[in-house]
Amino acid sequence: LAKTTQPISMDSYEGQEVNITCSHNNIATNDYITWYQQFPSQGPRFIIQGYKTKVTNEVASLFIPADRKSSTLSLPRVSLSDTAVYYCLVARSGGYNKLIFGAGTRLAVHP
Amino acid sequence: EAGVTQFPSHSVIEKGQTVTLRCDPISGHDNLYWYRRVMGKEIKFLLHFVKESKQDESGMPNNRFLAERTGGTYSTLKVQPAELEDSGVYFCASRLAAYNEQFFGPGTRLTVL
Repeated sequence: LAKTTQPISMDSYEGQEVNITCSHNNIATNDYITWYQQFPSQGPRFIIQGYKTKVTNEVASLFIPADRKSSTLSLPRVSLSDTAVYYCLVARSGGYNKLIFGAGTRLAVHP
Repeated sequence: EAGVTQFPSHSVIEKGQTVTLRCDPISGHDNLYWYRRVMGKEIKFLLHFVKESKQDESGMPNNRFLAERTGGTYSTLKVQPAELEDSGVYFCASRLAAYNEQFFGPGTRLTVL
């Protein structure tokens, strides 16, 4: 599975849009991109997933360019409660779907 | 609908003792995963069950770890004997076959003294 690289940390302020970019240069054809969020003392929680182009749900948007070597998670108008660690993962569909976690991006939202 | 539950939430044991962690997946989820995060490291995959069968146990660190899922419902992860380096947080996740999303439990924090 492709290794992912994302910023270690980011800071933002309430009400701003936050974009976290992840690179996955060795992504394979049948791999998909998925993002999870983790709060302290909790398990990771699924946010969004996509294969290509743009995906949007009630929480976030995911932008994936045509070459799929990177992806950007977009969180609109963040609040203090969005302070968490965000993981970008590449997983293989149709298989065992095991998740390979990296260090994630620690997002701090300030008042 | 109840989420993934794990028991106990915390466990403190001495080196050489045995500990058994339990995971109850979301009802109807055939896929069950165990992960763990040891101090300062990233969350690592341990193994994957489909119903009662082990599909992938490539992440199990050594033969002191034994996972079971009898009847394809709840799962247990036994560590015997526990070593200091086993300390960490053990997460369980479950997934419906038709979807990619994994639902994680809150984790069990294991401390080996």
